[in-house]
Amino acid sequence: NAGVTQTPKFRILKIGQSMTLQCTQDMNHNYMYWYRQDPGMGLKLIYYSVGAGITDKGEVPNGYNVSRSTTEDFPLRLELAAPSQTSVYFCASSLQGKAFFGQGTRLTVV
Amino acid sequence: GQQLNQSPQSMFIQEGEDVSMNCTSSSIFNTWLWYKQDPGEGPVLLIALYKAGELTSNGRLTAQFGITRKDSFLNISASIPSDVGIYFCAGQNYGGSQGNLIFGKGTKLSVKP
Repeated sequence: NAGVTQTPKFRILKIGQSMTLQCTQDMNHNYMYWYRQDPGMGLKLIYYSVGAGITDKGEVPNGYNVSRSTTEDFPLRLELAAPSQTSVYFCASSLQGKAFFGQGTRLTVV
Repeated sequence: GQQLNQSPQSMFIQEGEDVSMNCTSSSIFNTWLWYKQDPGEGPVLLIALYKAGELTSNGRLTAQFGITRKDSFLNISASIPSDVGIYFCAGQNYGGSQGNLIFGKGTKLSVKP
């Protein structure tokens, strides 16, 4: 049972480039989340989904997009990378409020 | 938007001491959760609380869901060096179309052997 899997683990992007952070879970959880964590800070919610086909904005959605075509996958898209998006990104899925996190993607925009 | 105020921001304690941290919110939640994060890792769930007034233990950890549904606390008894890390509270109104899970800013715990 792999839980929540994020890829890639590390990535360096140039300003203006785009990329997709992948997240997949094998626990059949309806709820999924994307967070960013800046150094020494807490987790800020970017987007979340309560089920396939349903997504909603969190606290800091600007510059990001998501889709949820299946229960398992919840990719996060950065269209025009900016230095302010340098951060560690965590994906999570939850059942009955108990969220389980992936290992994170460390993204640097230069 | 919803915000969680977590305190203290950091704690330096001696091994064997008890620790207490708390979290307050301007709005009510129907679920409170406590997580621990080690460096370079994702947060790991410690305790989940679902009912106002609920008191739940997990080994040396005890957490309570406040009666007003706007606060929660976490206690760690007889701290040991491996308790070092950042502890986060999180609140959620689980169910239906509501699902956003909001985190506090964390309490950084340091334990001196």
